[in-house]
Amino acid sequence: QSALTQAASVSGSPGQSITISCTGTSSGVHAYNYVSWYQQHPGKAPKLMIYDVSNRPSGVSNRFSGSKSGNTVSLTISGLQAEDEADYYCASYTSSRTWVFGGGTKVTVL
Amino acid sequence: EVQLLESGGGLVQPGGSLRLSCAASGFTFSSYALSWVRQAPGRGLEWVSSISDAGGRTYYADSVQGRFTISRDNSKNMLYLQMNSLRAEDTAVYYCANIRGLIDSWGQGTLVTVSS
Repeated sequence: QSALTQAASVSGSPGQSITISCTGTSSGVHAYNYVSWYQQHPGKAPKLMIYDVSNRPSGVSNRFSGSKSGNTVSLTISGLQAEDEADYYCASYTSSRTWVFGGGTKVTVL
Repeated sequence: EVQLLESGGGLVQPGGSLRLSCAASGFTFSSYALSWVRQAPGRGLEWVSSISDAGGRTYYADSVQGRFTISRDNSKNMLYLQMNSLRAEDTAVYYCANIRGLIDSWGQGTLVTVSS
């Protein structure tokens, strides 16, 4: 049950676009489209931002988008805002019918 | 309104047991697989266990296999996690969730502290 690989931190200036990547294995990210992204502010519960690779729940800003290429899924935040500063986690279903999370990426708005 | 509300956490000694509960409302509980996810202090999210919609299939992380048991009562809209032989490394906030995201709601979690 290996964790997905995420960069520890990503930063950007207000208004810029940033991309957070999440790399898995052929038995997880590559094999299924069950990948979700969560945003977590300090002391708060995770909030769903993207599900099934690229679907956005109602109420989530269209500044957030998801994509997949091979074993890597990505979350792009466009028009970066101060409120986007948080930790972001990817999660993927696996061929073992388990779930695995990435280690998390801290987004800093400069 | 979709809600998942965890309870049952607390302070327990190493080797002890706890039973966590998750009360669900606002959606057709019996139609969705659910999971327990935990977060140790200052650490990332960790998948713990999942159960199918009808409850017939269960899955566990290696770190809890043989010690934790997930179950559900679809007549009561309740999810459970029985935790035995608890260790210090099980200290975390425990959340119930539909990780895939079909249920867009996480509770505030319940804190489990394993310490003597």
